Parts: sequence; structure tokens; C-alpha cells
Amino acid sequence: DIQMTQSPSSLSASVGDRVTITCRASHIISRYLNWYQQKSGKAPNLLIYGASTLQSGVPSRFSGSGSGTYFTLTISSLQPEDFATYFCQQSFSIPPLTFGGGTKVEIK
Amino acid sequence: EVQLVESGGGLVQTGGSLKLSCAASGFTFRDVGINWVRQASGKGLEWVGRIRSQTYGYATEYAESLKGRFIISRDDSTDTADLQMNTLETDDTAVYYCSGEIGYPFEYMYVWGKGTTVTVSS
Repeated sequence: DIQMTQSPSSLSASVGDRVTITCRASHIISRYLNWYQQKSGKAPNLLIYGASTLQSGVPSRFSGSGSGTYFTLTISSLQPEDFATYFCQQSFSIPPLTFGGGTKVEIK
Repeated sequence: EVQLVESGGGLVQTGGSLKLSCAASGFTFRDVGINWVRQASGKGLEWVGRIRSQTYGYATEYAESLKGRFIISRDDSTDTADLQMNTLETDDTAVYYCSGEIGYPFEYMYVWGKGTTVTVSS
């Protein structure tokens, strides 16, 4: 199984800050990496697929990069509506499909 | 509007069974794979399994720990997918989401339902 490790598990940031979340895979997964945002009590929402392709309708302040085993999600200027939990997910080797443990972005 | 709606959640005793349904609208259901993902309260996302689209022969895949207890099926004539859960345990208590999966070569879950809550009580 491919393990996905996110860091940090939580962070505090202010509106306008640049925020970067990392995700590491236990094996090489090329660019088979997706990012989701989940707000409290809501379903996850796709942000980025294929490591760097922005899903339609997602603001351009979100960006993804990486390949192989190391990936990042960056929010260039944090907005109030971005406070949420973010998950990475690999689609390189299924089953099982695996998620990272999540990164909770909180208001400083 | 592209939409998935789960139903069938509720309270069940350990050892019991429950069937969840996922109703799709706003897209061509037969072209989309359906995943089930669950989330225990305060925890992360856990993949349950998936049923692939017609293109992939409706293949099913499951999390190893759930194989044999959970069964995923779909009916493209009614745009629905089901998750049959048997011999339920307290650890199966969670919100269950269905999601639609597309993409090649990079597959991704582009639409999610709001979830349905399953509580397994001893």
C-alpha cells in the first residue's frame, strides 16, 4: 500500500498569508496526486488533480506542484473562506486508494 | 447541476446490515466511477471501495479490511449506486460519502454527496 504523509497536521495563519502544505508518498506515484478541501461538517471538494491542474471553479490562489514522492499545495494569499482541512490523495496504485491524514488550517 | 445524494444511513446494532444508496443527477452516470469514502467523527478520510464505469467493465475494488463485508453495486438504468454493509461493527460508525470519479490517466473524485451518517451501536 502507498502511504501518504502530510505536514504539518495543523497550522495557524492570518488572512493574506502564503501557506504551503506538503504531502509525501511512500513510493513513487508520478503525478497521480489530488488535493481536496473539506470545511467543517461538509463533504470534501476537489481543488487540484494530477498534482498541478486546477479544478474548474477553484480560485487561482490555489496551486499544486510536485512529482514522484513529494508534493505541495500552496495558497498564495489566504482568504477567510480558506480556513478548512486539506487532504492529499494518491490514485497511482488502487486498491487501496489512500489519503493523507489532513492538514487543518486555522485562524491565527 | 452535477449532484450525488446519499441515503439509507441510520442506527444499527452490531452484527446488523445496512444498505446505503447514492443517487446521481446532472451527468452521464455510466461514464463515471463511484467511490465510497467514510469519515469517523474528528478523523480523516478512509476509502471504502469503488465500482468503476462501464469503460472499465464495472470492476469493483475494496479496502482490504472491509473486503467480504461490504459490497458495492450500481444500476446505470436508474443512475444509482449502492453500498451493502454486513456484519457491522462499532468501528464502522462514520459519515459515508459517495463520490464520482473521472479522469485519465489521472483519476480524481470531482463530485461528492453530502454524506449519510451510520451509527453502529452495541
